[in-house]
Amino acid sequence: QQPVQSPQAVILREGEDAVINCSSSKALYSVHWYRQKHGEAPVFLMILLKGGEQKGHEKISASFNEKKQQSSLYLTASQLSYSGTYFCGTVSGYALNFGKGTSLLVTP
Amino acid sequence: ETGVTQSPTHLIKTRGQQVTLRCSSQSGHNTVSWYQQALGQGPQFIFQYYREEENGRGNFPPRFSGLQFPNYSSELNVNALELDDSALYLCASSPPWSGGAETQYFGPGTRLLVL
Repeated sequence: QQPVQSPQAVILREGEDAVINCSSSKALYSVHWYRQKHGEAPVFLMILLKGGEQKGHEKISASFNEKKQQSSLYLTASQLSYSGTYFCGTVSGYALNFGKGTSLLVTP
Repeated sequence: ETGVTQSPTHLIKTRGQQVTLRCSSQSGHNTVSWYQQALGQGPQFIFQYYREEENGRGNFPPRFSGLQFPNYSSELNVNALELDDSALYLCASSPPWSGGAETQYFGPGTRLLVL
């Protein structure tokens, strides 16, 4: 039930773009995206809901393909502050099941 | 608006001991979920509490138990600690479950080391 994320790790230069993918073997109602910096709590980025509704508060974008049971997070014009580990979470009952994460490093 | 707080921040225990971790939910949130995050892994769902009752449980043995209080704060208790219990324990608060559309806000976590 754990979603699968790809790639496992990405290294970017400041200003470059990145895409992080999340796929599930089960039908998805929603996908949750979080970013976690080393030694800190995961911080909410965005929820994508079946039907196309998005809820988020950061300047990032994401897509949700219900048929393919996939979601992608788009980080454009990356900044140093984007560095961290990105997790997607999918809902199963009351549980939010997280993938293993994608480590993103943005260098100057 | 106060965020999610957890205590203690760090804890060292020995095998076989018991531990209690505490969480205060964000203002206005009445649901608390607990997660275990091993090094290099994503958070794993332990259980969720709503209205002082366990709502759902992940794949964790009964020695992991919890409580929720009328003020929505919560405790996670782990008995008979094992070395593999060493991890970051996160709690997250949210509005009542609404089919998976509610946002969970995480606390800073308690890092537990079992020797």
